[in-house]
Amino acid sequence: GESVGLHLPTLSVQEGDNSIINCAYSNSASDYFIWYKQESGKGPQFIIDIRSNMDKRQGQRVTVLLNKTVKHLSLQIAATQPGDSAVYFCAEKGGSTLGRLYFGRGTQLTVWP
Amino acid sequence: GAVVSQHPSWVICKSGTSVKIECRSLDFQATTMFWYRQFPKQSLMLMATSNEGSKATYEQGVEKDKFLINHASLTLSTLTVTSAHPEDSSFYICSAGQGQTNTEAFFGQGTRLTVV
Repeated sequence: GESVGLHLPTLSVQEGDNSIINCAYSNSASDYFIWYKQESGKGPQFIIDIRSNMDKRQGQRVTVLLNKTVKHLSLQIAATQPGDSAVYFCAEKGGSTLGRLYFGRGTQLTVWP
Repeated sequence: GAVVSQHPSWVICKSGTSVKIECRSLDFQATTMFWYRQFPKQSLMLMATSNEGSKATYEQGVEKDKFLINHASLTLSTLTVTSAHPEDSSFYICSAGQGQTNTEAFFGQGTRLTVV
């Protein structure tokens, strides 16, 4: 499948700061992207998604930005909390089958008190 | 959101034996489920698409005779790792989609397989 990669494998932030996690994708035809959070030993947990006809989408404390020109995604977490510490993955829809996803490399976010 | 459950959460088996992992959608029907594999500190790698009532579709490089997938009902898919070897030790995760349009997939909690 097409590759979806991340720029930074680790990110450390202080509690209360904002976090930005980046992701690059290579398939210009991709039309749907998702950010997942994975805690140690658990399955991925949905955070937020965005379709390719959008540039920005906001959720609770999270914002996803999509730049189709440079094929780049970012996840912004506001007022990062210790409970946000986890590995974050971006994923892109793989082909036409709903739910089929290709995952990026992942970024380990560590939040210090 | 929808709930997907895997069983067992962890399993240890001897080399040469086979191990079956179950994936159930608890509150919705899933005609399609997906199996992923994840090595430590790595990303999830899509292994195959499990199709209810028909053969699974495997990703390139995944041995279909090694990883047998059965999707006999709308709420259950199973992955059997046959003749397991230590290199098959990994975290196996299933997911199921819900809805008619682009939507997130709901993931199980994963199964940690250790082959000794």
